[in-house]
Amino acid sequence: LAKTTQPISMDSYEGQEVNITCSHNNIATNDYITWYQQFPSQGPRFIIQGYKTKVTNEVASLFIPADRKSSTLSLPRVSLSDTAVYYCLVGNRGSTLGRLYFGRGTQLTVWP
Amino acid sequence: IAGITQAPTSQILAAGRRMTLRCTQDMRHNAMYWYRQDLGLGLRLIHYSNTAGTTGKGEVPDGYSVSRANTDDFPLTLASAVPSQTSVYFCASSDSLWGYTDTQYFGPGTRLTVL
Repeated sequence: LAKTTQPISMDSYEGQEVNITCSHNNIATNDYITWYQQFPSQGPRFIIQGYKTKVTNEVASLFIPADRKSSTLSLPRVSLSDTAVYYCLVGNRGSTLGRLYFGRGTQLTVWP
Repeated sequence: IAGITQAPTSQILAAGRRMTLRCTQDMRHNAMYWYRQDLGLGLRLIHYSNTAGTTGKGEVPDGYSVSRANTDDFPLTLASAVPSQTSVYFCASSDSLWGYTDTQYFGPGTRLTVL
């Protein structure tokens, strides 16, 4: 099972683009990469999911290089409300549910 | 649509007491999960259920038990609470059995303190 490594914390200022990288060196051929966001005192919520190259939605973009050993969540023009913990998950439809691994995530703090 | 509800919102419990955390979803999802979140340790899976009638162990199952009598409810029981079980507990569900690729929907959490 591919575990993930993310920076513990990051700081940014309002209006800047933030890129959070997740390493998953042991990613399997059929693994997907999923990111969640967690605000203080709330449960996590799904942000974006991808398999290769680039995925974009109204919240973020996800960049996945050809070797898929890492992925980068990109948040354009962050605001104070983007302050949250961001989690990267890797797995596939055959992965045992009991081995779901959220890890510690990355605490993003956005300053005015 | 409420999504996932958890009860209680918070609880202070004496060590050795039995406690059941309740979780109910109204999305008719097959899979449900219980996580605990501790400062510095992130989210860790306690137990999960693929579908009604089946359950499985996650990363940290010791001291906890679950049941899944129907699709909507997934209670988590601490038979004899210990201080190390002080944590925030999140219940989640996903549409199908494929937790890794299907979106998980989380409840608001229960903050449990064991003294």
